[in-house]
Amino acid sequence: GESVGLHLPTLSVQEGDNSIINCAYSNSASDYFIWYKQESGKGPQFIIDIRSNMDKRQGQRVTVLLNKTVKHLSLQIAATQPGDSAVYFCAEKAGGYNKLIFGAGTRLAVHP
Amino acid sequence: EPEVTQTPSHQVTQMGQEVILRCVPISNHLYFYWYRQILGQKVEFLVSFYNNEISEKSEIFDDQFSVERPDGSNFTLKIRSTKLEDSAMYFCASSAHPDRIVNTEAFFGQGTRLTVV
Repeated sequence: GESVGLHLPTLSVQEGDNSIINCAYSNSASDYFIWYKQESGKGPQFIIDIRSNMDKRQGQRVTVLLNKTVKHLSLQIAATQPGDSAVYFCAEKAGGYNKLIFGAGTRLAVHP
Repeated sequence: EPEVTQTPSHQVTQMGQEVILRCVPISNHLYFYWYRQILGQKVEFLVSFYNNEISEKSEIFDDQFSVERPDGSNFTLKIRSTKLEDSAMYFCASSAHPDRIVNTEAFFGQGTRLTVV
């Protein structure tokens, strides 16, 4: 069945380093992917999205890479800051009405 | 910046009681959703709502759940007879016109923490 999963439940990085958070998806028909950031006690916050006709998209300090061949999605955060500490979810769009299927989440811990 | 607002932030209810969770979506959005997140788990889709009717629902969204848009601004989730396993964070979300060509992200509220005792 459809599923979106994450390889690492926790990622610890030093402040200033680059972070890479990975995600695997199984539905090859999914055409839209989003990365959300969730801080403690808050709702998911949109970070960046990518459509299936692209393989890379860049934002401010963040880059999303999509490899449709192996159904893999990654989020790269440059110069990670303490404020980046949160749980990061990948989500895929399935069906025709913007229903999102979320992955399990990766906790990013940034150490000074 | 426009945002989705949810009330209350925390609701404690006794098992078997009815609860209504309230949401005010972003004003020009036409698609509304409810998701839930059991503590420590991933966010799960419950239901989507468009043009005053449910457009899609998950297997979680059984007969105990209902949604309503009673006026032009509020979007509610009702659980008729709460169970212990309904304890979770419930997120409301909204998105712009559901054009299948142009994907638009869903904006989430801060959530309502429901505790069933």
